[in-house]
Amino acid sequence: DAKTTQPTSMDCAEGRAANLPCNHSTISGNEYVYWYRQIHSQGPQYIIHGLKNNETNEMASLIITEDRKSSTLILPHATLRDTAVYYCIVRVAHSRDKLTFGGGTRVLVKP
Amino acid sequence: GAGVSQSPSNKVTEKGKDVELRCDPISGHTALYWYRQSLGQGLEFLIYFQGNSAPDKSGLPSDRFSAERTGGSVSTLTIQRTQQEDSAVYLCASSLDSGAQSGNTIYFGEGSWLTVV
Repeated sequence: DAKTTQPTSMDCAEGRAANLPCNHSTISGNEYVYWYRQIHSQGPQYIIHGLKNNETNEMASLIITEDRKSSTLILPHATLRDTAVYYCIVRVAHSRDKLTFGGGTRVLVKP
Repeated sequence: GAGVSQSPSNKVTEKGKDVELRCDPISGHTALYWYRQSLGQGLEFLIYFQGNSAPDKSGLPSDRFSAERTGGSVSTLTIQRTQQEDSAVYLCASSLDSGAQSGNTIYFGEGSWLTVV
């Protein structure tokens, strides 16, 4: 798996958009960008994934740069319940390719 | 059920005893994964199943750890002669493995918290 680089931590204000960056400069053409989050004492929760096009679902938006070397996860209206560790992971879309978790970004949403 | 189900949710055991942790993957998911997360640490891959076979056991930390999967569904992770350093949350995950187009999203259970005293 290509390595990813994320900031260790970030704060954001409740009700505002949270923009979480991720660098994956060595990503291969067949690797997807996945985002998961882990709220304290819970299992990792899938958020969104994409290959090269921007993606949006009910939880978040994923913006991938044209060269695919970086991406941004956007939580449009952060709530206190979005406080969690957010993981950006790249992997080939095959079950044999397990998720390899790095340190993630510890996001604290403040009132 | 709708999601990955793990049991027990919490287990306290004495050092030296054996423990079994169970995982029920999402119905129809052929790929199954076990991870471990010690307190304050990152997620550590243990083993991957495709159907009943385990092509990747590279993360099992010692021969005290083993896992099996029967009928292509339920999996059991067994830890023999438990040690205090085995205390962690053990997470199970599954995916459909339907092909590249889907991205093969992996979904996690809530974990089994193991405390060895």
